[in-house]
Amino acid sequence: DAGVTQSPTHLIKTRGQQVTLRCSPISGHKSVSWYQQVLGQGPQFIFQYYEKEERGRGNFPDRFSARQFPNYSSELNVNALLLGDSALYLCASSLTSGGNPLQFFGPGTRLTVL
Amino acid sequence: DAKTTQPNSMESNEEEPVHLPCNHSTISGTDYIHWYRQLPSQGPEYVIHGLTSNVNNRMASLAIAEDRKSSTLILHRATLRDAAVYYCILKSGGSNYKLTFGKGTLLTVNP
Repeated sequence: DAGVTQSPTHLIKTRGQQVTLRCSPISGHKSVSWYQQVLGQGPQFIFQYYEKEERGRGNFPDRFSARQFPNYSSELNVNALLLGDSALYLCASSLTSGGNPLQFFGPGTRLTVL
Repeated sequence: DAKTTQPNSMESNEEEPVHLPCNHSTISGTDYIHWYRQLPSQGPEYVIHGLTSNVNNRMASLAIAEDRKSSTLILHRATLRDAAVYYCILKSGGSNYKLTFGKGTLLTVNP
């Protein structure tokens, strides 16, 4: 079975541009979460979606937005890119939203903002 | 979220046991203790979790102190593939959906 997949693998953008990152969860998983990991730090929670609804949001500006599609795949959008948005963006899927579900992470998208 | 404290780094030799400590003195009664690890250039992967009792799986063992204020992840025989950053995370049940990562412990395994 395929794990969590993310595209693209790497991306280079310039300040002020917009970017869209994509995630496909494990088959049967209905929840997708997004994390940002800057160099030398642990991942930081951005969003969680379950059954196409936002269930949680971390401490990120409104430039960050996301959505989940009927097939449970998800997109993360970042507008007006800043140099500080350079990071590894990780997607994680789980069967459910609450409780104590295990999360399965994809390999991430490395975003570089110049 | 309750906070965890881990050493920044640890070193081990191949085929020897490794004990990775985690302190969580403000843990609440409903917090599960999760361990994830992140190999170089990969996303984090689940290792093990527990609530009160010690737990074993094919990857590792988790020893939880009786007062639950600390825990230890045990790799019984470290291999070079175990070199990674190990994160100890407290996660409550209910509607708590997110994982709150700290900086973790960088484990180096020497051949």
